Amino acid sequence: DAGVIQSPRHEVTEMGQEVTLRCKPISGHDYLFWYRQTMMRGLELLIYFNNNVPIDDSGMPEDRFSAKMPNASFSTLKIQPSEPRDSAVYFCASSFGGAVGPSPLHFGNGTRLTVT
Amino acid sequence: SQQGEEDPQALSIQEGENATMNCSYKTSINNLQWYRQNSGRGLVHLILIRSNEREKHSGRLRVTLDTSKKSSSLLITASRAADTASYFCATVNTGTASKLTFGTGTRLQVTL
Repeated sequence: DAGVIQSPRHEVTEMGQEVTLRCKPISGHDYLFWYRQTMMRGLELLIYFNNNVPIDDSGMPEDRFSAKMPNASFSTLKIQPSEPRDSAVYFCASSFGGAVGPSPLHFGNGTRLTVT
Repeated sequence: SQQGEEDPQALSIQEGENATMNCSYKTSINNLQWYRQNSGRGLVHLILIRSNEREKHSGRLRVTLDTSKKSSSLLITASRAADTASYFCATVNTGTASKLTFGTGTRLQVTL
């Protein structure tokens, strides 16, 4: 298995532009998580899905952020409009059974977002 | 929000030495997990310990859990240069279903 695949690896955009981050989870995993990592705030859970349904989006910072999971093999995280404070590394992770299930979280290599 | 606080924030040791990292957390947990992150990469799961377990081993890794003190430690024995990475503890808190909340991390540098 290729693991969790995220694209793009790097994204540089100007303030106000729309940004879409993409994630392909590991086949057969029923949970998908979006995390954001910054030096100041560490790793923050933004949202997670179970069987394509959003379960907890309490970590989404504001209405500018939205996430979808149209099917079991694809998820997007969209920021519109983007702001410089959104600059961070965004990670997608998947697992079977969630954080208490038989499999641990498998992380992608992240998307480094820079908003100028 | 972060649940765990790792200590120390940074650790530098020589190859062959043991490295010990500590994690403290605030609420009751279902399990506690340790992850490693190499520079520029995603996190990789190392080991999971459940709330009713006190110690667990995996290769050169030894994890302990003290739920009365709400703390855990990760010991890496006979460290290698390849162990250089950041190490994070993460908790699944009781009642929060499948959410995994990460600590602040310890940066480990292993020199030759």
